[in-house]
Amino acid sequence: QKEVEQNSGPLSVPEGAIASLNCTYSDRGSQSFFWYRQYSGKSPELIMSIYSNGDKEDGRFTAQLNKASQYVSLLIRDSQPSDSATYLCAPNSGYSTLTFGKGTMLLVSP
Amino acid sequence: EAGVTQSPTHLIKTRGQQATLRCSPISGHTSVYWYQQALGLGLQFLLWYDEGEERNRGNFPPRFSGRQFPNYSSELNVNALELEDSALYLCASSQLAGVGEQYFGPGTRLTVT
Repeated sequence: QKEVEQNSGPLSVPEGAIASLNCTYSDRGSQSFFWYRQYSGKSPELIMSIYSNGDKEDGRFTAQLNKASQYVSLLIRDSQPSDSATYLCAPNSGYSTLTFGKGTMLLVSP
Repeated sequence: EAGVTQSPTHLIKTRGQQATLRCSPISGHTSVYWYQQALGLGLQFLLWYDEGEERNRGNFPPRFSGRQFPNYSSELNVNALELEDSALYLCASSQLAGVGEQYFGPGTRLTVT
């Protein structure tokens, strides 16, 4: 049974702070990892993908992957109220099946 | 570039009826995926189609089925609807089958009464 664990939150941060979202996964065969952002009542939006160990930066977002520890994280710098959403972690262990965590709700207060 | 489109936006059915949901992938994408997002349960993988063939299915009963057409669009059929089938049904597409990034459509909200 493939499992993806995320703290459900809510994670509350003030505007301008760094938000740190964490995810652990059980399937060691996972090769690619994705972070999606989902606003209430909307569909998930892909914001980051990472395929190898280390850090990957894209604008205010940084994804970090440690396959040995089966851990992936997302840092959001200079958090804005518009970043308030649920963030979903999704490893892909092959055969195109994304296994989603239940997500972490992020609340950024002005 | 147009994104993934889905229709209808909302669908209301009665228990025991059949529902048909439609999806058009991003141009150039050959893989289509269906997911169910029920309240409190998170996103669950339903079906994956690539090049017209069903490549994988999740842990759902056979009354969930679908197909992919030659133009890569897809439909999801749910037979003998049950109340617990009420959920947001999301379609995603990817350019690379297997490990590619998946992009989601806006979803179809199915309500079974």
